[in-house]
Amino acid sequence: EVVLTQSPGTLSLSPGERATLSCRASQRISNNYLAWYQQKPGQAPRLFIYDVSNRVTGIPDRFSGSGSGTDFTLTISRLEPEDFAVYYCHQYGGSPRHTFGQGTKLEIK
Amino acid sequence: EVQLVESGGGLVNPGGSLRLSCAASGFTFSDAWMFWVRQAPGKGLEWVGRIKSKADGETTDYASPVKGRFSISRDDSRNTLFVQMNSLKTEDTAMYYCSTRRPPYGDFPLDFWGPGTLVTVSS
Repeated sequence: EVVLTQSPGTLSLSPGERATLSCRASQRISNNYLAWYQQKPGQAPRLFIYDVSNRVTGIPDRFSGSGSGTDFTLTISRLEPEDFAVYYCHQYGGSPRHTFGQGTKLEIK
Repeated sequence: EVQLVESGGGLVNPGGSLRLSCAASGFTFSDAWMFWVRQAPGKGLEWVGRIKSKADGETTDYASPVKGRFSISRDDSRNTLFVQMNSLKTEDTAMYYCSTRRPPYGDFPLDFWGPGTLVTVSS
């Protein structure tokens, strides 16, 4: 089973700073099938990044994804107030077919 | 506009059963692969399972914690997705989301989500 481990659990930063969120897989993710979602309190998740580095239409270019194999990163170059939320990684190429990481909470310092 | 609206959640005793529904609109439901994802209170997302379109065999796949207890089905004539949940455990307590994506369909990331329906398993 592919297990995704996200770090850190909580990241405390200020608006304007750079955020780096990590997602590590227990096995190699095939076909770069790794996505990132943002979730705000009381809301459903929202897809931000797919296939490691492709932004969904409408997602600002301050968000970028990178990585390969088992190590993946979501970077937010310059934090805006609306970026503070929980972020989840999601693999969709392994066994079981889909798994999610446990999330990283990005909070205002 | 794609809309997904879950219903059927509530309080159920351990060992009991519940059937959730998801009413879909704004896209060709019969073509879509449909998913259930859950989230325990204060916890992360957990994939529950998926059903393919009829054209793709209507195959289902489940996460290990629910395999043998949950059953996903669909009624394309009513644009509705279901999950029948049996032998419920306290650890099944969660918000249950219905989800899908824009074409092409497959085991790919999820673009569209409903607001969720809350299932509480407790005596």
